Amino acid sequence: AQSVSQHNHHVILSEAASLELGCNYSYGGTVNLFWYVQYPGQHLQLLLKYFSGDPLVKGIKGFEAEFIKSKFSFNLRKPSVQWSDTAEYFCAVNALQGSQGNLIFGKGTKLSVKP
Amino acid sequence: EPEVTQTPSHQVTQMGQEVILRCVPISNHLYFYWYRQILGQKVEFLVSFYNNEISEKSEIFDDQFSVERPDGSNFTLKIRSTKLEDSAMYFCASGAGGTRDTQYFGPGTRLTVL
Repeated sequence: AQSVSQHNHHVILSEAASLELGCNYSYGGTVNLFWYVQYPGQHLQLLLKYFSGDPLVKGIKGFEAEFIKSKFSFNLRKPSVQWSDTAEYFCAVNALQGSQGNLIFGKGTKLSVKP
Repeated sequence: EPEVTQTPSHQVTQMGQEVILRCVPISNHLYFYWYRQILGQKVEFLVSFYNNEISEKSEIFDDQFSVERPDGSNFTLKIRSTKLEDSAMYFCASGAGGTRDTQYFGPGTRLTVL
């Protein structure tokens, strides 16, 4: 069965620090990859996605993620975080074969940015 | 920008009661989904719906659950006889293109079963 692992449960950073959140998935076939963000009191919003092409994808608010197929990873990065990045971040995948697009989510990583 | 909306935002019910959670997907979307998140756990897929029928469902989506698109705008999730373990946040999502497209999520309905 497909699964998604996010290694960090809670990350605490100071403003201007660099961020990298890990995401690994288990599925041998072709996948689409997503990072969603949930700000406090708000709903899940798409941060960025990878379908095909350049494995380095750029999203909103200065976030980027790199798909490394050999490592089954899709880590999220931001060179300099802001207090407003405080949120929970979810990695998700969907399989292109045998699926109607349902997303498999990781457990989420809570990011707290200290001003 | 169009959004997925859900009502109610919070539903409290007694065990054994039926609940209906409502969603209005983005108007030109064709694929509809329900997910749930039990407190402290992962967001889990429940069911996907396309062309007026269920296209995929998870093990969680047993006979107590049903979905319906009663008109051109609403998409509902019914839990026939709620259990304590159904307490969770329920998210509706919609997308235009199935596996090839992004899913847009609603704000969720927090269901509390007492």
